[in-house]
Amino acid sequence: AQKITQTQPGMFVQEKEAVTLDCTYDTSDPSYGLFWYKQPSSGEMIFLIYQGSYDQQNATEGRYSLNFQKARKSANLVISASQLGDSAMYFCAMREGVSGSARQLTFGSGTQLTVLP
Amino acid sequence: NAGVTQTPKFQVLKTGQSMTLQCAQDMNHEYMSWYRQDPGMGLRLIHYSVGAGITDQGEVPNGYNVSRSTTEDFPLRLLSAAPSQTSVYFCASSYSPGGNSYEQYFGPGTRLTVT
Repeated sequence: AQKITQTQPGMFVQEKEAVTLDCTYDTSDPSYGLFWYKQPSSGEMIFLIYQGSYDQQNATEGRYSLNFQKARKSANLVISASQLGDSAMYFCAMREGVSGSARQLTFGSGTQLTVLP
Repeated sequence: NAGVTQTPKFQVLKTGQSMTLQCAQDMNHEYMSWYRQDPGMGLRLIHYSVGAGITDQGEVPNGYNVSRSTTEDFPLRLLSAAPSQTSVYFCASSYSPGGNSYEQYFGPGTRLTVT
């Protein structure tokens, strides 16, 4: 089974509107972390936000928030007030375990977001 | 700090050639890793290292070798290049600043084409 599933290959959003990018995950480890990365057309990987499995509150970083629903195993990224510069590929990723070696990330296939003027 | 640097940025190889992709970080991170990204896919882990002298395989290690003689450097060697190794290669490093996020810092990537 896929560990990280992103079911939206492409999304469009109007500038200044909010958009939700979906991510579901599969793990039996009680300790895990969920990440979102942005990859613009220039190719670099930019860290956006992190949610730990034991975190009580949903993570927020500026215009980014993570809608973490543990029972449903979903970790959706919400971008508020979209900007043209938000157009990029977005990847959800998971780290399982907490030991020093457990830092490998498993990535989803990504969602290409296009912000329309 | 330069962060994570990778050289070269672009490389074209012929089938059967060997080469080394360089990765260096100046943040004193103990953990380093190599990923490959194929078109339309997320990144997949090739090899990783939890410290100097310690390496292990990831999801797709075949055809690649690594070594970690220093904290700063983590080169990736392609032993005999194949067209299936055409990809973008990312090096990443991380540390734990007291929390457990283990955020990974990525290099700019190396775009490799094997003909």
